[in-house]
Amino acid sequence: EAGVVQSPRYKIIEKKQPVAFWCNPISGHNTLYWYLQNLGQGPELLIRYENEEAVDDSQLPKDRFSAERLKGVDSTLKIQPAELGDSAVYLCASDTGTGGDGAGELFFGEGSRLTVL
Amino acid sequence: AQSVTQLGSHVSVSEGALVLLRCNYSSSVPPYLFWYVQYPNQGLQLLLKYTSAATLVKGINGFEAEFKKSETSFHLTKPSAHMSDAAEYFCAVNRPGGFKTIFGAGTRLFVKA
Repeated sequence: EAGVVQSPRYKIIEKKQPVAFWCNPISGHNTLYWYLQNLGQGPELLIRYENEEAVDDSQLPKDRFSAERLKGVDSTLKIQPAELGDSAVYLCASDTGTGGDGAGELFFGEGSRLTVL
Repeated sequence: AQSVTQLGSHVSVSEGALVLLRCNYSSSVPPYLFWYVQYPNQGLQLLLKYTSAATLVKGINGFEAEFKKSETSFHLTKPSAHMSDAAEYFCAVNRPGGFKTIFGAGTRLFVKA
C-alpha cells in the first residue's frame, strides 16, 4: 500500500514569491492534516480536513496561507507571498478519521522542505 | 489544554546501552499518549501508543513506554541501543474524542559505536 506522498521534497524560493505543496494521502483516509515543523521543534497543526471540508483551520495564517482539498482526496497548501520566517518543513498526514476517537495513528509523508531566501 | 514536554533535546548513548527518552504530559482529561520516530529525511512513524489499557506499552523495534499517572510521565525505553536507532523521537498527546495531536519538541538520539 502506498504511503502519504508529498511533493516537492525541497523548494528554494526568493521571499515574496509564491509556493505550493501537494499531498496525496493514503487511499481511503478521509482525514488529512497539514503540519508545520520548524527546525528543532515538533510538528504543529496548520489545518485539518474531513473529506473536502476544512474543519479546523484556526492555526492557519490566512493572510498568506491557503489550502484546498478538492474532491476530498489530494490537497494543496499554498503560501503567497512567502516570507523568510516560512522556511520550515511542511508535513502532510492522514488517518482513517474514526470519528475523532483521539487514538488513531497519524501517517506522515516525508515532508516538503521550504527555504526562503 | 494539553501539552507535552520532552526533557533533553539531545541524548547520546553507546551501542548496547540503555535508551531512556523522557516525556512529561499535561492534560485535564485522561490522555492518549504516543511516541513517533523520524529517521533522517523521512516522515514520522508511530512507535507505540497508550490508550488507557495496559500502562506498559510495547512498540516496534524493541521500544516500550510506561504510563505513570502519578508522575504525569510516559518515558520511552529500550534495553540495548542499536546504531539504527539514531533518529529523532517525538512524544505526543491527544484525548478521547480529540481531533488534535499535540507534539513535543523532539529528542534527537545519537548512538555511538
